[in-house]
Formats: sequence, structure tokens, C-alpha cells
Amino acid sequence: DTGVSQDPRHKITKRGQNVTFRCDPISEHNRLYWYRQTLGQGPEFLTYFQNEAQLEKSRLLSDRFSAERPKGSFSTLEIQRTEQGDSAMYLCASSSDRRNGYEQYFGPGTRLTVT
Amino acid sequence: AQSVTQLGSHVSVSEGALVLLRCNYSSSVPPYLFWYVQYPNQGLQLLLKYTSAATLVKGINGFEAEFKKSETSFHLTKPSAHMSDAAEYFCAVSKQGGKLIFGQGTELSVKP
Repeated sequence: DTGVSQDPRHKITKRGQNVTFRCDPISEHNRLYWYRQTLGQGPEFLTYFQNEAQLEKSRLLSDRFSAERPKGSFSTLEIQRTEQGDSAMYLCASSSDRRNGYEQYFGPGTRLTVT
Repeated sequence: AQSVTQLGSHVSVSEGALVLLRCNYSSSVPPYLFWYVQYPNQGLQLLLKYTSAATLVKGINGFEAEFKKSETSFHLTKPSAHMSDAAEYFCAVSKQGGKLIFGQGTELSVKP
């Protein structure tokens, strides 16, 4: 069990640029979640997948955000035309629906700074 | 709809003192409840979970929490604080297998 990994750990970009983040879940986990966390706040749900199917997407999520999990393994989160308000920590988590409790295990996060 | 309220954005205790971090939830269905800890610039680590089994749940690092349905509470406790416990703590609620709804977090400081 190598844990959830995220890449990159830090990203600095200029306003208007596109960015893409990658998340590799724990290998046997079929559920994958994306959250966003701003300074001093709890994580906020963005979207989640069961295998390759995107089951839920936050109503707060702008259409500039898109996520994929094409083969039911790793996932990517893309932000188009970044804005300064997108600056945050983006967290990925995974879980297994074969384990009681559905506890989610988090990666270290990708910190995005939009200048 | 589900929600979580953590009372006290900052709690300070002396080393060796009792730690009590408060969490109240709202849920229209039997909830799954979790406590996570976050150290600076890191992801979240699961401390413990409640999933409708025993109401007193023991977690890692000496933490435990008690589910009280009548009070809609899931407070986190530790009998004796250690300097290494200083971190941000988040309470979260979910429906079975779904997204986590987090509270605002409580920053725990431990004084020597």
C-alpha cells in the first residue's frame, strides 16, 4: 500500500493559463474524490468517481473545471483559464466500497498559486 | 442536507492536559462520521471513524470519540496532550460511501 500520490505538489501559474493535476489512488480503491481547500477552511468537495464513472459533481464547480478517470485508475483535474480565486490546495482521496466505513485516504495535495 | 459544526476554531491546552474538540453534525440519514488531522502543508490523515457500530470509537495516537445521537455530537478527546498533537483537526460527515462534508476545522495548540 503506497498511499495516494499527487503530482505536482506545487504549481505556480499566471492568470488565464490552463493547469492539470494528476492523482494516483491506492491501487485496490475503486472510488476517487477531489476536494479543494483554501487557507483556514475545511476541504470542499468538487467531484467523485466510482471506477471510471463520474457520479457527482459539486454545483459550485465552475465549467472551467473538468475531471477524468479514463481507465478507472488515475485521475486528472484540469482548470482552464485560471483565475486568482482558484488559488488553493487541491486534495485527492480514494476509498474502497468493499471496506466497511468507506474511509477516504488523502494524498499530500497540490498547492496551486495563480498570479 | 448534511452539515458539520466545529465549536472553537482554536483550542489551546497544556502538555499532559485533556484534549476536547467539539463537533456537532446534521444529517437526514444515519451518518458516517470521521475525524481527520492535518499537519502544515500536508494532506489529511484519518484519526477515527464511526459507522453505526460501537458508539465509543478508538483511533490512532490515543484519540477517541463518542457518538451521541441525542445530542447529534461526535466530540474528539485525548486524555493527555502531547506536543506532537499540535495540528488542525477536521470533523466530517458522509452518507454511505459518498462525499465528505467537513467542518471548518479546529487548530490545536499544545503549550509546554
